Amino acid sequence: EADIYQTPRYLVIGTGKKITLECSQTMGHDKMYWYQQDPGMELHLIHYSYGVNSTEKGDLSSESTVSRIRTEHFPLTLESARPSHTSQYLCASSGRFYNEQFFGPGTRLTVL
Amino acid sequence: AQSVTQLGSHVSVSEGALVLLRCNYSSSVPPYLFWYVQYPNQGLQLLLKYTTGATLVKGINGFEAEFKKSETSFHLTKPSAHMSDAAEYFCAVSNTGNQFYFGTGTSLTVIP
Repeated sequence: EADIYQTPRYLVIGTGKKITLECSQTMGHDKMYWYQQDPGMELHLIHYSYGVNSTEKGDLSSESTVSRIRTEHFPLTLESARPSHTSQYLCASSGRFYNEQFFGPGTRLTVL
Repeated sequence: AQSVTQLGSHVSVSEGALVLLRCNYSSSVPPYLFWYVQYPNQGLQLLLKYTTGATLVKGINGFEAEFKKSETSFHLTKPSAHMSDAAEYFCAVSNTGNQFYFGTGTSLTVIP
């Protein structure tokens, strides 16, 4: 059973607010990812990390930032939320010897 | 560069009928291939994967997929659809196990 958690599950927030989406995994995986998912579109990689103190931007330009201070924790921060940030955000992790990604339940963000 | 094409954004089948969801990929090296399922308001769950070895891969819930290198395909099938199979299905490819590329998804409707 994969154990990867995301909080909050749903968030409605006003424009200009700072928000942090939390992602934690208990599997000891080195690799962690953030994806943005919109209806009818492929998952877009926005950030990834291959280990502690290692973070990279993905293919999709994003105004968010991430940090990886602990193996199990990979939070995503939006300094100033805008309506264009309205989307579903999925966190995933992958281990060294396993090829697949394990996904969290997602955070559905609405910015008014 | 890698990419995934899923033909048919919406597929409808009758309960008990064959399910066939199509996936074609491009990859410069032998790929890892995956099928994921997503139920409403949930993250992605791995159905099956191909890494090496047998080209016919069996997964959970009675699904299977066949890797055909000559056709660059990895179509997902199930002999008899069940109402609980209604969901969004994503095909994904990776050639390193580090980064993953997803298709745009196929929404499966099962008609009673």
